[in-house]
Amino acid sequence: DAGVIQSPRHEVTEMGQEVTLRCKPISGHNSLFWYRQTMMRGLELLIYFNNNVPIDDSGMPEDRFSAKMPNASFSTLKIQPSEPRDSAVYFCASSPGWNQPQHFGDGTRLSIL
Amino acid sequence: GIQVEQSPPDLILQEGANSTLRCNFSDSVNNLQWFHQNPWGQLINLFYIPSGTKQNGRLSATTVATERYSLLYISSSQTTDSGVYFCAVPGNTPLVFGKGTRLSVIA
Repeated sequence: DAGVIQSPRHEVTEMGQEVTLRCKPISGHNSLFWYRQTMMRGLELLIYFNNNVPIDDSGMPEDRFSAKMPNASFSTLKIQPSEPRDSAVYFCASSPGWNQPQHFGDGTRLSIL
Repeated sequence: GIQVEQSPPDLILQEGANSTLRCNFSDSVNNLQWFHQNPWGQLINLFYIPSGTKQNGRLSATTVATERYSLLYISSSQTTDSGVYFCAVPGNTPLVFGKGTRLSVIA
């Protein structure tokens, strides 16, 4: 079975540019989570969806960040405009339900110059 | 919110040695996961263990929910066990992660 699929694996772009990260959850999973990992702050939850509906976006750092889940098999995390402090590894995870084991994608390593 | 503390923060082992990693949490939980982040950055599920003991090959985990801790045992360590081990429990978000234990296994 395919796991959580994220793209791109690496992204390098200049500050001010729009960045879009993509995630395909495991088929049949109803919950999807976006995390950010940095050395300073560790793993932080940005937002999560249940049945395609955003449940908690209190971890989204600023209005520059937005996330959508138009259907059960696809989600995007967008940063516009990007800043150097957004550089981090962004993970997507999915689970059968919000309180069930989460399975992580391989992450997107984002560098904003 | 819930606090998750992992110890030790760093651990260096000779290949073949055994180790115990600990995760303490500050409130009662009904869910706990252990993850391994390998040197390539991938986060691998190890255990979903709200209580009791589970084993998977050389790894086993025990959670004593009433005493608010979980232990991860690694036996006969191999260099491929190197990386960071995280525990995570529900808190003000579905999973709150500890800072991890960084394990280096040397040949």
